[in-house]
Parts: sequence; structure tokens; C-alpha cells
Amino acid sequence: TQLLEQSPQFLSIQEGENLTVYCNSSSVFSSLQWYRQEPGEGPVLLVTVVTGGEVKKLKRLTFQFGDARKDSSLHITAAQPGDTGLYLCAGEETSGSRLTFGEGTQLTVNP
Amino acid sequence: KAGVTQTPRYLIKTRGQQVTLSCSPISGHRSVSWYQQTPGQGLQFLFEYFSETQRNKGNFPGRFSGRQFSNSRSEMNVSTLELGDSALYLCASSRGLAGELEKQYFGPGTRLTVL
Repeated sequence: TQLLEQSPQFLSIQEGENLTVYCNSSSVFSSLQWYRQEPGEGPVLLVTVVTGGEVKKLKRLTFQFGDARKDSSLHITAAQPGDTGLYLCAGEETSGSRLTFGEGTQLTVNP
Repeated sequence: KAGVTQTPRYLIKTRGQQVTLSCSPISGHRSVSWYQQTPGQGLQFLFEYFSETQRNKGNFPGRFSGRQFSNSRSEMNVSTLELGDSALYLCASSRGLAGELEKQYFGPGTRLTVL
């Protein structure tokens, strides 16, 4: 089983600050997905990165897939209270639809 | 299009009992995956069903089982419940086309508490 490590586990920042969340593995994934989960809800897909070195932007969120497809980062610029939530990275194993999830980063943005 | 629905949303059981959770996928989706989410372990893959057949399986004991019906609805059963089975159980649906990168849509989960 391939493992994904996320850091930090918890992050509490003030509105307007920037932050970066990391997702690392010693294994290669065919793709990596980032989700956000709010209390009482299931995870919602934010982005999927497929190509090594790929960078995708979603408004104030920037996602990068490492060149070797073993790691990824999520950078949020000028965080807002609405960004509060649990951010999860998930790697798709080459064998199919099985996803391996990191433990998540609980982000709190204080107004 | 209606999203993934899970019932019940909350469940309280005692040790030794069994429980059945239900998941209705998005219309047209044939793949249903189940995950267990706990604070200590994060989201862990239980199994995936596609066209009434288990296609993938995670590393959970045999007390955890599932099935899928011809209408793609899926049920998950846990027998002889243990305290450690307390968790949020999530199901996710997708079209399930092999070899294609697909978006999985998650339901809101069933919160199971074992006393």
C-alpha cells in the first residue's frame, strides 16, 4: 500500500496570510487529487494533477505536482475564513480507482 | 442531478452488534467505493463495487463486507462491532470506467458510534 504524508496536520492563521500544505510519498502516483472537507460533509474534489511538474490554479489556490509524481503542494494566497476546512490529498494508484488518502491538514483561518 | 446519499446519517450501536449502511450513487454511476474516516487514521479505503462485483478491496478484516445491487445502490455491513469501528463511513460514486481518470463524488457519510 502506498502511503501519503501530509504536513502540517493543523494550521491556524489570520485572514490575509499565505500558507502551504505539503503531501509527500516515497511512491509514484499516476495522479494526485486535493479535496476539501467541511464538518458534516464528505470531501469535495478541488483539483486533479496528472503530469509531473504540473501547476494548476484555482482562484487563490495553487496546486503543484512534483516532477517525480511523488509529492504535491497546495498554496493558498490571502487566506479567508471561508477557506477553513480539512484539506486532503489523495493519490490514485496505477492499478485503478483505488485512492490512498493523506491524514489531512485542518486549516483554520481566523477573521 | 441528485448527489450521493447515505443512510442513516447517524447510528449508535453497542459492541457485538452488527450494522448495515446504505449508499445510493449518482444516477448513471456504476462504481461505489467505501471509506472509513477516523481522526487517527484518516480516510482508509474499504472496498469498491462495480456492476455488483467487488473490484478492489482494502486491508480490513472480514467483519467488514459489502454488496451492490443491480441499481448500483450499495450496502456495507459490519458484524461483531468493536469500539474501534466508531468512525465516519463515506461512500463515493463514479462512472467506474477502468483506465480513465475520473472524479469521485462523496456522500455526506454515516457517523457510527459504538458504545
